[in-house]
Amino acid sequence: AQSVAQPEDQVNVAEGNPLTVKCTYSVSGNPYLFWYVQYPNRGLQFLLKYITGDNLVKGSYGFEAEFNKSQTSFHLKKPSALVSDSALYFCAVGVDKIIFGKGTRLHILP
Amino acid sequence: GAVVSQHPSWVICKSGTSVKIECRSLDFQATTMFWYRQFPKQSLMLMATSNEGSKATYEQGVGKDKFLINHASLTLSTLTVTSAHPEDSSFYICSAKAPGVDQPQHFGDGTRLSIL
Repeated sequence: AQSVAQPEDQVNVAEGNPLTVKCTYSVSGNPYLFWYVQYPNRGLQFLLKYITGDNLVKGSYGFEAEFNKSQTSFHLKKPSALVSDSALYFCAVGVDKIIFGKGTRLHILP
Repeated sequence: GAVVSQHPSWVICKSGTSVKIECRSLDFQATTMFWYRQFPKQSLMLMATSNEGSKATYEQGVGKDKFLINHASLTLSTLTVTSAHPEDSSFYICSAKAPGVDQPQHFGDGTRLSIL
């Protein structure tokens, strides 16, 4: 069985500071990992994915994620946060049928 | 990029009526589409997986007679909530996936369903 955990319900970051949203996973076999962002009353927008290759994955809107096999983590990062990054972020794992984490609400403080 | 259109975005209707939600992949062919339900401040709950030309696969606890899914073409899947009741009120989101194990799901903007 596969699962994904987002340990933080909410993360607060000052604008301009680096941000990290944490995600850990559990799978049998090679993981297919994703990050999505959701704005209020909207669907999910795809940010980035890790299938194989470099452990540092670059995605949309300046976001990146680091795959760490030994720690089974796939944390989302951005060097300098913007107020417009405030949203709900979901980590997900799977191939055809994917499992979502419970989400982390990111607040960027002006 | 891949665009998924979901319609309508908002529905308010009386208890007992049936509501149809459409999900279209606009610029790619989606062999598989997914239907999710999201409760306030919660994650997405997968309801069913829809493959073009075949019957949908429902998750445990999701009634196939209550939530009718049709995936008649590679670009269109529909979800019909039959005889809707207030407890069916929720945010329903579809996603579509192009062929290939490395392809991500692309999501529609969701449908807010309110049953009075």
